[in-house]
Amino acid sequence: NAGVTQTPKFQVLKTGQSMTLQCAQDMNHNSMYWYRQDPGMGLRLIYYSASEGTTDKGEVPNGYNVSRLNKREFSLRLESAAPSQTSVYFCASNDRALSYEQYFGPGTRLTVT
Amino acid sequence: GNSVTQMEGPVTLSEEAFLTINCTYTATGYPSLFWYVQYPGEGLQLLLKATKADDKGSNKGFEATYRKETTSFHLEKGSVQVSDSAVYFCAAQGAQKLVFGQGTRLTINP
Repeated sequence: NAGVTQTPKFQVLKTGQSMTLQCAQDMNHNSMYWYRQDPGMGLRLIYYSASEGTTDKGEVPNGYNVSRLNKREFSLRLESAAPSQTSVYFCASNDRALSYEQYFGPGTRLTVT
Repeated sequence: GNSVTQMEGPVTLSEEAFLTINCTYTATGYPSLFWYVQYPGEGLQLLLKATKADDKGSNKGFEATYRKETTSFHLEKGSVQVSDSAVYFCAAQGAQKLVFGQGTRLTINP
């Protein structure tokens, strides 16, 4: 049981490049989330997917898009990376019918130069 | 919407000291409350939780009690160890998601 996995672990992009962060969970959870973590800012929600086939904006969605590919996978895309998107990105999942506790992946450290 | 305010850090203590990290929340109703811990280079892990007023969550020597009168969920540990050095996040259940505090960095010196 791997829990929540994220790829890649590290990435360096130049301004204007695009990339997709991948997230998968094997806990049969309905809901999945993308957060960014910046120093002194805690975690801020970018997008979430309450169930397969739905996605909604969080606090800081600008510059990002998401795809809930199936129940297991939820990807985050940066179409044109900017230095302000330098951050650590975490994916999480849960089954809100059982508990609001969220399970987190190990994170992706992204640097945009 | 719900919000969470955490004691600002960083906090530095000596091994075996008593730890308190304050957390207060504002919410409609009585949300479930959580403490998460993040060790260096890792994701967040659930440390403990409480789902209703007066519940006490506990794990690894840490405790927190859901106090609706003071809308608080302070984290405590009687004797900290070097291995407790990490960032601690308080969180509250929101309408569709968790609402996190800003995190408190804890360093324990031997």
